[in-house]
Amino acid sequence: AQKITQTQPGMFVQEKEAVTLDCTYDTSDPSYGLFWYKQPSSGEMIFLIYQGSYDQQNATEGRYSLNFQKARKSANLVISASQLGDSAMYFCAMRFTGGFKTIFGAGTRLFVKA
Amino acid sequence: EAQVTQNPRYLITVTGKKLTVTCSQNMNHEYMSWYRQDPGLGLRQIYYSMNVEVTDKGDVPEGYKVSRKEKRNFPLILESPSPNQTSLYFCASSLGTGKETQYFGPGTRLLVL
Repeated sequence: AQKITQTQPGMFVQEKEAVTLDCTYDTSDPSYGLFWYKQPSSGEMIFLIYQGSYDQQNATEGRYSLNFQKARKSANLVISASQLGDSAMYFCAMRFTGGFKTIFGAGTRLFVKA
Repeated sequence: EAQVTQNPRYLITVTGKKLTVTCSQNMNHEYMSWYRQDPGLGLRQIYYSMNVEVTDKGDVPEGYKVSRKEKRNFPLILESPSPNQTSLYFCASSLGTGKETQYFGPGTRLLVL
């Protein structure tokens, strides 16, 4: 069964420190894409980073990087130098190339402490 | 400005009263999708559309209908809403289904009494 698991319902991090948000997935499809989205308290969904299943290198976008371990089926989001504005809900999602289905994890709420 | 718009943003209704949530995108995207967000469950896909007149069920389609008569519009119809459809609804669109991210609308918060 295709599934995304985010095991951390909530996390705290000190401002300026790095934090890792966990995401594991389950699929037998060889071709897929992994996405991370941020949802601040205002409610909008903001795209952060993408990793393709065939990409050899881990994706990076500014302070965001994706630690992709294909054999372990994990796609953890690393936020470096956390800022107060990073306090939000974070969702991991998987999309199947050539198909149209997208599944999301339950999310991790991140709190950044000053 | 490239965007996905949804209307209404907030809606309170009663059980059984038909309603439509509109979704429109101005990016000429072929792919559109509806999700509902519930606490502890993340976002779950309701329906998606690959192009005009082509739609398919997601994971939680029961109680919902969609139509795609024009490329830019993808309305979500609740013909007989029930309290378990109280949720936050998002419409999204994307150019394709590969690495292109989906662009999300602002969300519609629905309360069914």
